[in-house]
Parts: sequence; structure tokens; C-alpha cells
Amino acid sequence: GENVEQHPSTLSVQEGDSAVIKCTYSDSASNYFPWYKQELGKRPQLIIDIRSNVGEKKDQRIAVTLNKTAKHFSLHITETQPEDSAVYFCAASMLSRGDDKIIFGKGTRLHILP
Amino acid sequence: KAGVTQTPRYLIKTRGQQVTLSCSPISGHRSVSWYQQTPGQGLQFLFEYFSETQRNKGNFPGRFSGRQFSNSRSEMNVSTLELGDSALYLCASRTTSGGNTEAFFGQGTRLTVV
Repeated sequence: GENVEQHPSTLSVQEGDSAVIKCTYSDSASNYFPWYKQELGKRPQLIIDIRSNVGEKKDQRIAVTLNKTAKHFSLHITETQPEDSAVYFCAASMLSRGDDKIIFGKGTRLHILP
Repeated sequence: KAGVTQTPRYLIKTRGQQVTLSCSPISGHRSVSWYQQTPGQGLQFLFEYFSETQRNKGNFPGRFSGRQFSNSRSEMNVSTLELGDSALYLCASRTTSGGNTEAFFGQGTRLTVV
């Protein structure tokens, strides 16, 4: 079925270290993979996305990698800072009845430890 | 440019009642998707509307329904409320349906069923 699995559900890293969140998807036709960040009490906001024609994309301290063969993609945050503490959601587009819908993983709660 | 607006922000209802939530998308956006957010379940897709037509539907019972008006504003209705319907309901707007475009979220409506 249509599914996006996300791991881990909770992640604690020391400030300055790197954090990695991994996702797998079920639909081989998926071609758009956004990542959203949701701070406490706020709405989810897009932080980075990748399309299936590229394997990696970077934006300052954030990078996303995509392995279409294995159907998994990952978010990498380097030099973590306190403001990186939030819930992160991966997502994948799923083709259904000719239209895409965005299916989200269950989220990863990232804690940055001082 | 105004963001996605959801009303009301908070709602308390009794089991068995029905409720209607409203979402006004960003001006020019014609696609509106609805998600249910609960702890541990992430963002679960309810349905998506584009040009007043439901384009996609998630795996929720028929008690959950929606509609979209000609000005792209969307409403979501839940009938015969159950305790398990307590959640944060988020809507997201996109310029088009599909096309791998960024989804912009509203602040959500926090529904509590007692």
C-alpha cells in the first residue's frame, strides 16, 4: 500500500554533532520528496525537497540524499544548533488516479542537547 | 501575501456531534489538502480538493467529508464524532494538484472530543 516509513521516532544529539533521519517509501513511481520541520506549537514548514532526477541536494547545513533503487531517502543536519530542535517529517508523492498526493512519515522528534 | 488560514483554532465537541472546519488557501492556490495529526501517527492524509473536485482520498471512514468552493476555500466535516477524532487538523494549499509543488500549511484546528 501507500506508505512512508520514518526512523528513528526520537533522536537526541549533542549540539554541534550531526543528525540523520531516514525514510523509505513504497511507491516506485514517487518522484518528489519534501522534508518539513514543525516547531512546538507551530505549523509544518518545508525545509528542503528533492526530485527523483537528482541523488543529493544541499542547503547550508541541511542535505537530503535519495536512493531510488532502494526506495529510501535521508535528511542530514550538520553542526546542529538548539534551534534545530523540532519534529521533522519526510514525505513522498504518491500517484493515485492520475494525481499526486503527498504522504508523510510519522515524524522524528529531534532533541539538541547542550 | 496572506498565508493559509484555518478557523476556528480550537474546538471542543461532544461525542456524537458533528463539526465543520474551514481552510482559506493562499491566494492563487487551487489545491487544498487536509491532514489529521495525532501524537505518534504523524500527518495522516484525509483528502485533497482541486477546482471544487475531490482528487484524492485517504483511508478514513465516511464520517470524514469535505468540499471546496469556487474561491478555493475548503471545509471539512466530521459527523458522529468519536473520542478518537480528537486531533490537530491541518490543511495545506498548493498552486496545483500534483506537479510536485510545495505545500503550505495552516496553523491547524485543535479538535477535542469529550
